[in-house]
Amino acid sequence: DQQVKQNSPSLSVQEGRISILNCDYTNSMFDYFLWYKKYPAEGPTFLISISSIKDKNEDGRFTVFLNKSAKHLSLHIVPSQPGDSAVYFCAASRLSGSRLTFGEGTQLTVNP
Amino acid sequence: GAGVSQSPRYKVAKRGQDVALRCDPISGHVSLFWYQQALGQGPEFLTYFQNEAQLDKSGLPSDRFFAERPEGSVSTLKIQRTQQEDSAVYLCASSLGRRQPGELFFGEGSRLTVL
Repeated sequence: DQQVKQNSPSLSVQEGRISILNCDYTNSMFDYFLWYKKYPAEGPTFLISISSIKDKNEDGRFTVFLNKSAKHLSLHIVPSQPGDSAVYFCAASRLSGSRLTFGEGTQLTVNP
Repeated sequence: GAGVSQSPRYKVAKRGQDVALRCDPISGHVSLFWYQQALGQGPEFLTYFQNEAQLDKSGLPSDRFFAERPEGSVSTLKIQRTQQEDSAVYLCASSLGRRQPGELFFGEGSRLTVL
């Protein structure tokens, strides 16, 4: 039972354009969502998070949007840079809980 | 270093062997997690410690998997009688938080290959 799903295994964009990574979840008890970025041979690193009381959180070039009714969140990166090329994982949890449930990841490639 | 440190980085085991994977969390981090990441998949939760107490071990796939954190800092994940399906990257993560997910700091992982 995949409670967090990233339907696009890969995404390719041109440098300077917007990257949009999508994530869907099924568990309505999730109320805290995070995005992690992972380079090869490294552990995932935290990028940005959002709690369910918000619908948008912005940090520099990164913005996360949450649509609770659709159980959908997205990560926007603008402008995209070649250094953003990595695997991006969406993760969800309960604020009262501890464990994160991860999606399968999306490989983003930003072409110069 | 100041990050989460895991050893060994790579481990090859013959089927049936026991393995032990070590995690050194960030100093002062109360919470410690183990995740298993199969090829092409996202990390999957195995177990969670708050200090030395193992509060959640519901993700451990079988009784061959055992984790401990006896003094509330270093943790060891032990896999007994390894099977081929145990081949994966084992990620350790730590955080300051006590009862909230918060931001996890991950180590580089230990890649286990069972032949």
